[in-house]
Amino acid sequence: SQQGEEDPQALSIQEGENATMNCSYKTSINNLQWYRQNSGRGLVHLILIRSNEREKHSGRLRVTLDTSKKSSSLLITASRAADTASYFCATDAWGNTPLVFGKGTRLSVIA
Amino acid sequence: GAVVSQHPSRVICKSGTSVKIECRSLDFQATTMFWYRQFPKKSLMLMATSNEGSKATYEQGVEKDKFLINHASLTLSTLTVTSAHPEDSSFYICSARDAEGTGELFFGEGSRLTVL
Repeated sequence: SQQGEEDPQALSIQEGENATMNCSYKTSINNLQWYRQNSGRGLVHLILIRSNEREKHSGRLRVTLDTSKKSSSLLITASRAADTASYFCATDAWGNTPLVFGKGTRLSVIA
Repeated sequence: GAVVSQHPSRVICKSGTSVKIECRSLDFQATTMFWYRQFPKKSLMLMATSNEGSKATYEQGVEKDKFLINHASLTLSTLTVTSAHPEDSSFYICSARDAEGTGELFFGEGSRLTVL
């Protein structure tokens, strides 16, 4: 499976600032999902955006999708120290296929 | 909502032993389950696709004799790491899709394997 790219690989910000993470992928998709993972723990599903959607909001999260550029971004507004984690995008094709994960962004929010 | 249960969550074993990890879909049937491996500070890499009643499909570079997958029922897939070595120490995560329901894909909590 081909992984997408995420940038930045690591991001360190102050509490209260916004954090933006980007994801690019290579193939056609049915939807794109963002996950969060705290160190040593399992995945937490954050948000799913379908290929026919351009933007989606959930609380402090805003996700955009540009299928022409095969890219997505995740914005976390008013970040908190508890947002410190790794964030992964994952693309979902059609049918009973696995998710393909990007390389992830390690976010550190400093109080 | 649908849940995927993975067991054990942590296992420590000696080099040379075999370790079995179970992945269960709790309230839906999963003809297909997916096994991922994650090394520290890395992303999830698909290892294999587990198919109920037939052989698993392995990704390139994954040794099928090393990582035995058995999908004996519609709710259970097992991954056995045979003759484990320290380099097999990793976080293993399974996932399953509720293909007959919402189509959503669910992840287990993961199993951390440490081989001494």
